[in-house]
Amino acid sequence: GEDVEQSLFLSVREGDSSVINCTYTDSSSTYLYWYKQEPGAGLQLLTYIFSNMDMKQDQRLTVLLNKKDKHLSLRIADTQTGDSAIYFCAVVDNYGQNFVFGPGTRLSVLP
Amino acid sequence: EPEVTQTPSHQVTQMGQEVILRCVPISNHLYFYWYRQILGQKVEFLVSFYNNEISEKSEIFDDQFSVERPDGSNFTLKIRSTKLEDSAMYFCASNGGGRETQYFGPGTRLLVL
Repeated sequence: GEDVEQSLFLSVREGDSSVINCTYTDSSSTYLYWYKQEPGAGLQLLTYIFSNMDMKQDQRLTVLLNKKDKHLSLRIADTQTGDSAIYFCAVVDNYGQNFVFGPGTRLSVLP
Repeated sequence: EPEVTQTPSHQVTQMGQEVILRCVPISNHLYFYWYRQILGQKVEFLVSFYNNEISEKSEIFDDQFSVERPDGSNFTLKIRSTKLEDSAMYFCASNGGGRETQYFGPGTRLLVL
């Protein structure tokens, strides 16, 4: 089945850019998602990208997809303290409809 | 904006007791899901539901679990005899079809003592 991996921790200074990386194994995944989870809260959809796209930009967020390397990244420009959260990469398992989540990257933004 | 809601937000129960977690998916959605997240771990798929039947389930979703859509709006997850290891955050999700974006509820935090 699908396997999704992420680095577990990332620390950046306020105002810097953050880049959160994700790798997946199933090359036929057609939708790839980024979710944000603040402490004690649910999953908030941040953005998603179709597999026929290389890049998607949405305000401070930029998603890059390298299908050849099965690598997805989320760049947050001008990172703020309110961006501190866990960020989950998720792909749709092509054998079904369920999402397969990565372990999450805990982003800490230092003042 | 329409959203998925879940009740209760927190539930504490004794081991061996039955719990029912409730979800109200977005009204025109057709596919419904339950996921769980054990504290500090990744979000894991439990089950998907479409057209009043389970379409897919994971190894976690054993005979102790069941899902139901008792009416046109609610989607429930029942755990018949809770175990300590069932303590987790349970997320409901829904979408309009297939591999489209799934919208997640805020979760129910279940603690089994």
